[in-house]
Amino acid sequence: QQQVKQSPQSLIVQKGGIPIINCAYENTAFDYFPWYQQFPGKGPALLIAIRPDVSEKKEGRFTISFNKSAKQFSLHIMDSQPGDSATYFCAARASGSRLTFGEGTQLTVNP
Amino acid sequence: DVKVTQSSRYLVKRTGEKVFLECVQDMDHENMFWYRQDPGLGLRLIYFSYDVKMKEKGDIPEGYSVSREKKERFSLILESASTNQTSMYLCASRGLGPRSGNTIYFGEGSWLTVV
Repeated sequence: QQQVKQSPQSLIVQKGGIPIINCAYENTAFDYFPWYQQFPGKGPALLIAIRPDVSEKKEGRFTISFNKSAKQFSLHIMDSQPGDSATYFCAARASGSRLTFGEGTQLTVNP
Repeated sequence: DVKVTQSSRYLVKRTGEKVFLECVQDMDHENMFWYRQDPGLGLRLIYFSYDVKMKEKGDIPEGYSVSREKKERFSLILESASTNQTSMYLCASRGLGPRSGNTIYFGEGSWLTVV
């Protein structure tokens, strides 16, 4: 099973809030879990990624939480800013295979 | 910085026309990809190429073909465009080996409207 399910489809928060985007997968062979950020009119760009040997990874205001037993991972954005408004995609990949993307979450951070 | 360039940003084509979408990357990457992006469906892989003259079908290859004659260039071809191919098309590349890591780099996208 190659699917990655992402939720919610859209999310609106106030500046300073902590939006959380969730992803779930079935394939236990997945060993690389990146998040991509896409601004309007641009292609997606790698934001942060995690491997299943750790439960959390932080880069600046962005944190990935990983729950291997539940086969879920999530993106948290601390102290969100209007400039974080974008579409976020989770993805997963097994070694030697290609990335499978989630459906995307459109995040709006209101001033 | 890695640069993936999609030469056509916005195209309008008629049903039945043959459409070429061109993509060039400047990092000598082995792997190149074509994705299609539609609201609520995420990024769906059309075709990818491991190396020059090598190609493999992705999840939604029907109605598309690809060409990779040179390492830096990967073309997506719609043999006979149809209205259900109206979408945004994203090209991407990835290098191999420990220095390149797993990162896929995307172009800015080509918006195709078929009327």
